Amino acid sequence: EPEVTQTPSHQVTQMGQEVILRCVPISNHLYFYWYRQILGQKVEFLVSFYNNEISEKSEIFDDQFSVERPDGSNFTLKIRSTKLEDSAMYFCASSGQGIMNTEAFFGQGTRLTVV
Amino acid sequence: DQQVKQNSPSLSVQEGRISILNCDYTNSMFDYFLWYKKYPAEGPTFLISISSIKDKNEDGRFTVFLNKSAKHLSLHIVPSQPGDSAVYFCAASGYGGSQGNLIFGKGTKLSVKP
Repeated sequence: EPEVTQTPSHQVTQMGQEVILRCVPISNHLYFYWYRQILGQKVEFLVSFYNNEISEKSEIFDDQFSVERPDGSNFTLKIRSTKLEDSAMYFCASSGQGIMNTEAFFGQGTRLTVV
Repeated sequence: DQQVKQNSPSLSVQEGRISILNCDYTNSMFDYFLWYKKYPAEGPTFLISISSIKDKNEDGRFTVFLNKSAKHLSLHIVPSQPGDSAVYFCAASGYGGSQGNLIFGKGTKLSVKP
């Protein structure tokens, strides 16, 4: 069964450092997403990506965040200068059509710890 | 400002009985609702969805009911099985064609006891 894979499963980084979280969406999917879940809180939307550009982003997704699909298979989330409050579980997701019309498949997540 | 609320952080039911998970929303622009299940150390897994033009959708043991006037939806699991023990997230979308801005509730942890 096709699945969304994320690497690494756990990343520890020092405050102020840049991190790149990687995702391989399901191969024939067209829509890609990043969500995050701070410990004990709800899952929050960060950004959606379609046709090589951001289609929607939340208030959380400020200038320190960026996304890229560098090679047609990977989908990355870059955090330029990490802050302690960026510590969270980051989930990548993909769907064949828009998320409203079909289910989104989530990866297992990357736990980011900023120290 | 919680637009999607799951007021019960946890629920415990006996195997074979019905589990009812509730979700309330405040934004009348939401027009598509989803339930996801999440096991520890895994990403959310899609369970079932419902469009605002319907009031019920059924898939095997899982049924979602939507009451638009009350801005309330519920997930019924019948019969409940120990493998259903997980955190269940209600999610909503809308805004006239959003491409992915799902709003999640905080989740309800379901424990099904043998």
